[in-house]
Amino acid sequence: AQSVTQLDSHVSVSEGTPVLLRCNYSSSYSPSLFWYVQHPNKGLQLLLKYTSAATLVKGINGFEAEFKKSETSFHLTKPSAHMSDAAEYFCVVTGGNAGNMLTFGGGTRLMVKP
Amino acid sequence: KAGVTQTPRYLIKTRGQQVTLSCSPISGHRSVSWYQQTPGQGLQFLFEYFSETQRNKGNFPGRFSGRQFSNSRSEMNVSTLELGDSALYLCASSSQAGVYNEQFFGPGTRLTVL
Repeated sequence: AQSVTQLDSHVSVSEGTPVLLRCNYSSSYSPSLFWYVQHPNKGLQLLLKYTSAATLVKGINGFEAEFKKSETSFHLTKPSAHMSDAAEYFCVVTGGNAGNMLTFGGGTRLMVKP
Repeated sequence: KAGVTQTPRYLIKTRGQQVTLSCSPISGHRSVSWYQQTPGQGLQFLFEYFSETQRNKGNFPGRFSGRQFSNSRSEMNVSTLELGDSALYLCASSSQAGVYNEQFFGPGTRLTVL
């Protein structure tokens, strides 16, 4: 069994300030973890993925995430927010015999103030 | 390469009717997964098909069914529609069925049940 908890449903930051979106996971297997972004009326786009290689994962658009097994966390960060980062972000887990069956967190809506 | 395409993009039906949604994966991709996105339940896995065989199924009633054709295109069908079936239905494709596969999402079909 696996599950994902995104600790904040909404996060608001000012443009140019750091972004932190928090995610905790639970998995009976060695997990694969992903962050996806969804802009309004668009499909989901993969930001980055962790698949048991380096624990610090770099993604697109300056985002990165660190896998911490001891804390069962996979928080998403970005040093400086841009207006175009405003969107909904999903932390996702899969693993074991789940194959391509992704388990999504509830999502975090990121708002960026000018 | 063309991305994942879903048709139709928008659909309005009434309770009791049935509906068929279509998904064309990226060329060469053989795995197609379906997800339901609602404000209340978030993103939930419906089922995955690989080489015309259902590999995984989520926790949805039997009214939800799907199939995959030899060209990897997939359809999902919902019979006896209920108001709660109103949702964005997302399709994702990947090159193979397995744990470490990036899934590419289509823009979705927005179904409204009146």
